[in-house]
Amino acid sequence: GEDVEQSLFLSVREGDSSVINCTYTDSSSTYLYWYKQEPGAGLQLLTYIFSNMDMKQDQRLTVLLNKKDKHLSLRIADTQTGDSAIYFCAESTDTGFQKLVFGTGTRLLVSP
Amino acid sequence: NAGVMQNPRHLVRRRGQEARLRCSPMKGHSHVYWYRQLPEEGLKFMVYLQKENIIDESGMPKERFSAEFPKEGPSILRIQQVVRGDSAAYFCASSPRSDEQFFGPGTRLTVL
Repeated sequence: GEDVEQSLFLSVREGDSSVINCTYTDSSSTYLYWYKQEPGAGLQLLTYIFSNMDMKQDQRLTVLLNKKDKHLSLRIADTQTGDSAIYFCAESTDTGFQKLVFGTGTRLLVSP
Repeated sequence: NAGVMQNPRHLVRRRGQEARLRCSPMKGHSHVYWYRQLPEEGLKFMVYLQKENIIDESGMPKERFSAEFPKEGPSILRIQQVVRGDSAAYFCASSPRSDEQFFGPGTRLTVL
């Protein structure tokens, strides 16, 4: 079955890099996503990676995908206090539509 | 172009009452998805609809829950005879095709 796991909590200092990790089980995943959720808000798509890629960089964000180990990571460079939020990893399989399976979320706390 | 709109943002119901949650997709989007987020958990897929059709409802509880997306007007998620376990945040997402999903801010349902 589909299962996506993340560590629950990460604390970093402002200016440091943050690395949030995710593991998934579905080897037929097509896309893998990172979403950000701020308190009381909906989900904001940060970035995504196609399953045949191993890295994607977008400004301060770097996504690494190890398909063999089914491991996905999100690195945030120069983390700011505004990056404090819950980060969700999600995977989808193209079953005619992108049915998202989410992890439980990692709460990132950035201290000054 | 306004984003995905959901209302109400907060809904309080007593056990046994009905809850109606509305979702207005982004302009030009004909695909709607509903997800439920229980406290301290990730989002779980409930149902995927296109105009006037339910495409996949594999995540919907078999009883008391229903969804529709009429030709005109918003998509509605209806929960009959609510119980305390229905307390959650319900998120709607929309897409122009069966790909990238844009999320609304959610409706937080509290059942007393």
